[in-house]
Amino acid sequence: TQLLEQSPQFLSIQEGENLTVYCNSSSVFSSLQWYRQEPGEGPVLLVTVVTGGEVKKLKRLTFQFGDARKDSSLHITAAQPGDTGLYLCAGESEYGNKLVFGAGTILRVKS
Amino acid sequence: DAGITQSPRHKVTETGTPVTLRCHQTENHRYMYWYRQDPGHGLRLIHYSYGVKDTDKGEVSDGYSVSRSKTEDFLLTLESATSSQTSVYFCAIRTFINTEAFFGQGTRLTVV
Repeated sequence: TQLLEQSPQFLSIQEGENLTVYCNSSSVFSSLQWYRQEPGEGPVLLVTVVTGGEVKKLKRLTFQFGDARKDSSLHITAAQPGDTGLYLCAGESEYGNKLVFGAGTILRVKS
Repeated sequence: DAGITQSPRHKVTETGTPVTLRCHQTENHRYMYWYRQDPGHGLRLIHYSYGVKDTDKGEVSDGYSVSRSKTEDFLLTLESATSSQTSVYFCAIRTFINTEAFFGQGTRLTVV
């Protein structure tokens, strides 16, 4: 069974601060995705990274896939209250069709 | 909207009763997934399907069964509901691997 560990579980910061969320595993993934979930809704995709060492930017969000394709990070620059939500990483198993999720990071950005 | 509907949206049932949740898609996507979401656990994979009548177990499949007799419908059955199965259940669909998963609105199930 693959296990994706996310850290931290909870993050409360002031508007304007930077933060990084980590997603780690001992398993290799063919791709890693990051989702954001609002209360009462299903998760919505932010990004997919496929190549080891890949870096993708989405406005103030930067996503990185580890060289060995076992880990990923999400960095938010100058966080805003609108960034508040649950962030989930999800890994595609290297063999098979499973998409497994980490436990999530609850982010709260205070104004 | 990704054309995915879960039903019912809310259900309260008694311990020991069978329960079936339905996921219906209009997108003709090959892959369908059932997850449960509990505080502190993120989304945990229960079962998934990679085609009609092709299903496999996820991380937390004990106590659950699934069926997919046609592309558009993926059913999750709790044969004999227990209080530990109180949760929010999400269905997701995907066209191919490594692509975006689209989620339904979720079903809140309470077993009393």
